[in-house]
Amino acid sequence: EVQLVESGGGLVQPGRSLRLSCAASGFTFDDYAMHWVRQAPGKGLEWVSGISWNSGTIVYADPVKGRFTISRDNAKNSLDLQMHSLRAEDAALYYCAKGRGPTPRDWPDYWGQGTLVTVSS
Amino acid sequence: QSVLTQPPSASGTPGQRVTISCSGSSSNIGSNIVNWYQQLPGTAPKLLIYSNNQRPSGVLDRFSGSKSGTSASLAISGLQSEDEADYYCAAWDDSLNGPVFGGGTKLTVL
Repeated sequence: EVQLVESGGGLVQPGRSLRLSCAASGFTFDDYAMHWVRQAPGKGLEWVSGISWNSGTIVYADPVKGRFTISRDNAKNSLDLQMHSLRAEDAALYYCAKGRGPTPRDWPDYWGQGTLVTVSS
Repeated sequence: QSVLTQPPSASGTPGQRVTISCSGSSSNIGSNIVNWYQQLPGTAPKLLIYSNNQRPSGVLDRFSGSKSGTSASLAISGLQSEDEADYYCAAWDDSLNGPVFGGGTKLTVL
C-alpha cells in the first residue's frame, strides 16, 4: 500500500524559512517522480514543484521559483521542500504526491494527508 | 484565476447523470492529456481519471472522462450521495512548463 507521510509544517513568520519532508513507502520510490501540491484554506489545488526519479528534471511553479527548493533522497525514500522568504500567500496545506511515472509530466496518483503551513507574524 | 476554467458548482439528484466541464487552451488541454481528481470533504485528492478517459483500478465505471480540442469533461452517471465532493481537472501547460489545475467544481447531490 502506497503511503506518503508529510511533516515539518507549522507556524512561521513572514520572511522566514521552513523545510517540509515526506516519507514514502509501499512502492519503489526511485522509479517515480514526486510532487508538492498545496491548497490554501477553502481554496483549490495549486501545483508547487515536481522532481524526476533521479533528480535530473526539476520544475517549479512561478510563484515559488527562486524561493523553494525540492529535493529527494532515494536511499531514504524521502522528499523534501525547502521554503525560504515565506509570504502570507504561501500559507496552505502542503501535499506530497507520487507521480504515475518517472518524470514531472507524470501526474500525481497518490497523495499524502498534507502538512499545514501557516505564515503569520 | 485558474488557467483551466471549471464551473464553481454543479448539482444533481440521486440517479441522475451530471457533467463537469473544463476549458483550457492550446498550450494545455489542446496539446496534453487531462486528468481529473476527486476531493471528498476533509480528505486528500484522489486520482479519478487519467489520460483523458482512463480509470485507475478501483474507480467505478460511473465516472468517465472525455476531451475535445481545448475542452474536457467529466461525467458521473447514477449519481450517489457519496459523490458529493470537489472535482478538479488538471493538465500540463507547455507555456508555463508545469501542471495546472482547474479552480474546482463543488458537486452537490440534492
